[in-house]
Amino acid sequence: KAGVTQTPRYLIKTRGQQVTLSCSPISGHRSVSWYQQTPGQGLQFLFEYFSETQRNKGNFPGRFSGRQFSNSRSEMNVSTLELGDSALYLCASSFRDESGANVLTFGAGSRLTVL
Amino acid sequence: DQQVKQNSPSLSVQEGRISILNCDYTNSMFDYFLWYKKYPAEGPTFLISISSIKDKNEDGRFTVFLNKSAKHLSLHIVPSQPGDSAVYFCAASAYPSYDKVIFGPGTSLSVIP
Repeated sequence: KAGVTQTPRYLIKTRGQQVTLSCSPISGHRSVSWYQQTPGQGLQFLFEYFSETQRNKGNFPGRFSGRQFSNSRSEMNVSTLELGDSALYLCASSFRDESGANVLTFGAGSRLTVL
Repeated sequence: DQQVKQNSPSLSVQEGRISILNCDYTNSMFDYFLWYKKYPAEGPTFLISISSIKDKNEDGRFTVFLNKSAKHLSLHIVPSQPGDSAVYFCAASAYPSYDKVIFGPGTSLSVIP
């Protein structure tokens, strides 16, 4: 099975621009989650989608948005970029393990640098 | 507010010894806990999970202990190997939003040969 694929892997933008990141989950996985990783902050939850519907949302401003398509692929968008948006953006699809825990399988991430 | 805390940013251990990574949480509604490992330039990978009805779960060299009364869990790695050097994240989720997994800030483990 192919893993979670994120594109692009690296990108550089300037303040005020917008960016769109793409994620293809593992085939058959219908839930896709997005996280932002910055040094010292760990992984901050952005949002989670299931069957094209946003089910969960983290504490990020409205500049951060996402969507999911009928084939479970997902995109996230950040508008009006700020320097503080520089981070690694991780996408994950999930399954339930034998204990019932929701186990995330992550992609390699998209490294965004805002200048 | 940080619901999942990992108070040690880094830890160094000799090869062959035990590594103990700690995690504290504030939300008493959490009922699933997970540990992930992350190498540079890669996404985190799942290691082991535990549900709140258990106090211990083992998988090979990895054991997770859960103390619900103290809202504390720990990951033990025995014996530690140089390839275990990575950042370890503790994570948790609560009913009904099991798909909203909350992560701690991570602990960087260095296993010294």
